[in-house]
Amino acid sequence: GAGVSQTPSNKVTEKGKYVELRCDPISGHTALYWYRQSLGQGPEFLIYFQGTGAADDSGLPNDRFFAVRPEGSVSTLKIQRTERGDSAVYLCASSILASKGEQFFGPGTRLTVL
Amino acid sequence: AQSVTQLGSHVSVSEGALVLLRCNYSSSVPPYLFWYVQYPNQGLQLLLKYTSAATLVKGINGFEAEFKKSETSFHLTKPSAHMSDAAEYFCAVKTGANSKLTFGKGITLSVRP
Repeated sequence: GAGVSQTPSNKVTEKGKYVELRCDPISGHTALYWYRQSLGQGPEFLIYFQGTGAADDSGLPNDRFFAVRPEGSVSTLKIQRTERGDSAVYLCASSILASKGEQFFGPGTRLTVL
Repeated sequence: AQSVTQLGSHVSVSEGALVLLRCNYSSSVPPYLFWYVQYPNQGLQLLLKYTSAATLVKGINGFEAEFKKSETSFHLTKPSAHMSDAAEYFCAVKTGANSKLTFGKGITLSVRP
């Protein structure tokens, strides 16, 4: 595709449930990033991948959050035992290389935990 | 550690007036600086970036920003606002090998007819 795509665009779940959010980066981009944007705030870094490996996961808030990128392309952000405080827009971005190049953002997944 | 401060959450200007959105950063090493725009229900779009070349950076849609090291600032300007400029604007900083972007809280720009 032409840009970064994220699915679903909206996800409503109940407290305690498990959710998966998918990101499909721009073809050929080796670096992939996840950010979380809460209402009225700027995006906050969660994790980034260079290829298949997580190069920096320092932004993951706790062990309920986990992300994978098994083939170095599509990535899945997984949230276990969701809490109401997890409600936010989850943004994915990709770039040609982590050390240089613009980060291109997807439209985000709006997660609502009831 | 790196950080970005965007003072104020909302700026309102008249169509045709100067747009000035302020951004100050904190970084222990020379930074890369970015301005992103977010239109309603859309993803972030890069307006412009500073990567240690020219201190005056020109971006898309007539926006520009000037890197001032002495003031640790990277303010965004546009000489004449259009209605289509109404959106949320984010300043972000990135330092060296640390590839994550650190964003400010954002400023909502409204343009009055």
